[in-house]
Amino acid sequence: SQQGEEDPQALSIQEGENATMNCSYKTSINNLQWYRQNSGRGLVHLILIRSNEREKHSGRLRVTLDTSKKSSSLLITASRAADTASYFCATDHRYDYKLSFGAGTTVTVRA
Amino acid sequence: DVKVTQSSRYLVKRTGEKVFLECVQDMDHENMFWYRQDPGLGLRLIYFSYDVKMKEKGDIPEGYSVSREKKERFSLILESASTNQTSMYLCASSLSQSSYEQYFGPGTRLTVT
Repeated sequence: SQQGEEDPQALSIQEGENATMNCSYKTSINNLQWYRQNSGRGLVHLILIRSNEREKHSGRLRVTLDTSKKSSSLLITASRAADTASYFCATDHRYDYKLSFGAGTTVTVRA
Repeated sequence: DVKVTQSSRYLVKRTGEKVFLECVQDMDHENMFWYRQDPGLGLRLIYFSYDVKMKEKGDIPEGYSVSREKKERFSLILESASTNQTSMYLCASSLSQSSYEQYFGPGTRLTVT
């Protein structure tokens, strides 16, 4: 079942700007992950944040997690044309390694 | 690097045909998954397997079956293809039951006419 919901559905920004997208989920989680999908391709894992973590960084990516609000955000700083893709959040639950994905945010970075 | 490959990038089949989609991973992962992806719906889990010859239903198993005879290979079978099974099919694998990161194949875009 679909657990996460990303917001906004679509985002268009200028190269060099920051992109922020949000994910909300319904039930308590064990971990939350973000994946990227380039047009017509498979998903690529970006970052995983555990339920006891509040913030995590990886290169130009910053993820926050607020378990009290059941939400997460993904920030991409200094965006590049190559960041044009769809971004999905995925959640899992303790002792259950299946993932539940949201519908995704489509990001377009204009040159 | 983990590599997950899928047998076809594009496939066109007729209604009623039996369709086989194959997925192979080369990193000795225990878990394998089949998803379908439709616009606005995200990824939905069809079936998954946590060991050879083991399978579990996901959220939308109706109209599908799977086979895992070898650890590296996980096949999705559409017994009698229907037009509402036109979709992008994604295979993924993960290392073990305590590992949550999944590695995806490039996807198979299936059209049923």
